[in-house]
Amino acid sequence: EAGVTQSPTHLIKTRGQQATLRCSPISGHTSVYWYQQALGLGLQFLLWYDEGEERNRGNFPPRFSGRQFPNYSSELNVNALELEDSALYLCASSLVGSQPQHFGDGTRLSIL
Amino acid sequence: DQQVKQNSPSLSVQEGRISILNCDYTNSMFDYFLWYKKYPAEGPTFLISISSIKDKNEDGRFTVFLNKSAKHLSLHIVPSQPGDSAVYFCAAWNYGGSQGNLIFGKGTKLSVKP
Repeated sequence: EAGVTQSPTHLIKTRGQQATLRCSPISGHTSVYWYQQALGLGLQFLLWYDEGEERNRGNFPPRFSGRQFPNYSSELNVNALELEDSALYLCASSLVGSQPQHFGDGTRLSIL
Repeated sequence: DQQVKQNSPSLSVQEGRISILNCDYTNSMFDYFLWYKKYPAEGPTFLISISSIKDKNEDGRFTVFLNKSAKHLSLHIVPSQPGDSAVYFCAAWNYGGSQGNLIFGKGTKLSVKP
């Protein structure tokens, strides 16, 4: 069974640009979660999608947004990139309302 | 305010000995706890979990203990192996809430020396 897949593996952008990160959940999982892991910090919750709807978001500005498609894959969009957005972005999936969440290997976003 | 704390950034243990990783939480609404292991350049991998109705859960070499009154949990690895060297994250979840997301500690880097 394929795990959670994320693309791209690395992404380099400059300040002010926009970034799009993609995630495909484990087959049968309808919930997708996005987390940010900045240097020296733990995983900070960004967004939770289930059945195409945003269910919850963490304490991040509105320029962090996303969506979930009918096939349950998801996109994370970050607009007006700032240097502090440089981090590892992790996607996880689970059956709705249950644990554990299973993680992909992440997208390393670097802002120059 | 950190709701889940792992106060030891790093831990070094000799191969074959016990590794004990600790985690404290402040929110009494948390009722499910998980441990994840993370190797460099990989995503976190689920290791073991425990519900708040239990005080112990075992899976092979890994045992998690939960002390609800102290709001403390620990992960025991016996015996430790060099392949266990990784960053371990403690995570908490409010099953009865609607948030869905996990709250993570900052992690403890375990080094198991041969």
